[in-house]
Amino acid sequence: KAGVTQTPRYLIKTRGQQVTLSCSPISGHRSVSWYQQTPGQGLQFLFEYFSETQRNKGNFPGRFSGRQFSNSRSEMNVSTLELGDSALYLCASIPVAGGSGEQFFGPGTRLTVL
Amino acid sequence: GESVGLHLPTLSVQEGDNSIINCAYSNSASDYFIWYKQESGKGPQFIIDIRSNMDKRQGQRVTVLLNKTVKHLSPQIAATQPGDSAVYFCAELDTGGGNKLTFGTGTQLKVEL
Repeated sequence: KAGVTQTPRYLIKTRGQQVTLSCSPISGHRSVSWYQQTPGQGLQFLFEYFSETQRNKGNFPGRFSGRQFSNSRSEMNVSTLELGDSALYLCASIPVAGGSGEQFFGPGTRLTVL
Repeated sequence: GESVGLHLPTLSVQEGDNSIINCAYSNSASDYFIWYKQESGKGPQFIIDIRSNMDKRQGQRVTVLLNKTVKHLSPQIAATQPGDSAVYFCAELDTGGGNKLTFGTGTQLKVEL
């Protein structure tokens, strides 16, 4: 079956702009989580969605937001981009509502902010 | 001083040897641990998990030992192969429900031929 799809794979933006990243989970998976990966902070949890509802949110400013659609596809948005937002943004597709350590990650979107 | 980035420990092993990675955790309430592998240009990939009611879990060429007394996790790879070269992360599943993972710093495994 198809894996997790993230688009775009690479993105270059300038400070102050906004960006929207997309994640299509594995068919049948209703939970999606987002993570930010940087050399300085490692892998950090952004938020989790299940059945179009945000269930968990990490310690990120309000400039970071997300949503999930009825087909389980998810988007995250970062407004007023800062240089420090340059990172690999990873989406995880999860087969169950909760308690699953086995999560399926996409290849990520590499965001560069100039 | 200013932090310029996480120090990623590196483990270098000879092909065919066993690789032993060490992970420490601080939350005594943590009860579900997972080990992920991340190859260059890819997202993390699930390897194996272990719950706190177990001391050891084995898969194909992989084993993870859990020592709850000292809050230590030891994932291992037997007969390490060049394809095992990657960054390995220990992670904890949040105890508050949901699927939130907290990842460790990671260990860079280099396999020498």
